[in-house]
Amino acid sequence: DQQVKQNSPSLSVQEGRISILNCDYTNSMFDYFLWYKKYPAEGPTFLISISSIKDKNEDGRFTVFLNKSAKHLSLHIVPSQPGDSAVYFCAASHSGNTPLVFGKGTRLSVIA
Amino acid sequence: GAVVSQHPSRVICKSGTSVKIECRSLDFQATTMFWYRQFPKQSLMLMATSNEGSKATYEQGVEKDKFLINHASLTLSTLTVTSAHPEDSSFYICSAARTGGVGELFFGEGSRLTVL
Repeated sequence: DQQVKQNSPSLSVQEGRISILNCDYTNSMFDYFLWYKKYPAEGPTFLISISSIKDKNEDGRFTVFLNKSAKHLSLHIVPSQPGDSAVYFCAASHSGNTPLVFGKGTRLSVIA
Repeated sequence: GAVVSQHPSRVICKSGTSVKIECRSLDFQATTMFWYRQFPKQSLMLMATSNEGSKATYEQGVEKDKFLINHASLTLSTLTVTSAHPEDSSFYICSAARTGGVGELFFGEGSRLTVL
């Protein structure tokens, strides 16, 4: 049973437009959510996180929104750039230093 | 930011041999490290949780005698794939949690294992 779901395996967006990547979770104990970006043959790199006490966190072109009642979070990238093309993983954890539970990832392609 | 280094980044070995992969936290102490395996087109699958000075905790379905994990210091964890077979070919990634941190994990670059 998948606790973290990314239902869109892929997404194509034009350069300069907004990319919205979605993530749903089922475990109400999760209180910390993260987005990672991954290029082929590399380890994931941390992008942005949000704790359950917030509903929005912004860092430059990246904003993560959390809707606890819907158990849904999303990552907005604006404006999208070709270098943003990668696989994005949503991850969740409970109380800090526990293993992250990852979604299956969404492959973002930003077209110039 | 915090750096986690994995070595080797690529390794090719013959079936039946053992391969050791190192995961080092370069500028912070990591009481806990995690080992993940990534299959093509699939998410990262947690294999085991490695705690410094104690035995690793393995996820269901992961053979502890095949994937030996040692976390002898606060900056080093090793994964040894014993008697490797072609089906063990995969991308192995480690991550480290900063001691006293708030949950953010730092990932190594990954190690691609190919078993011939």
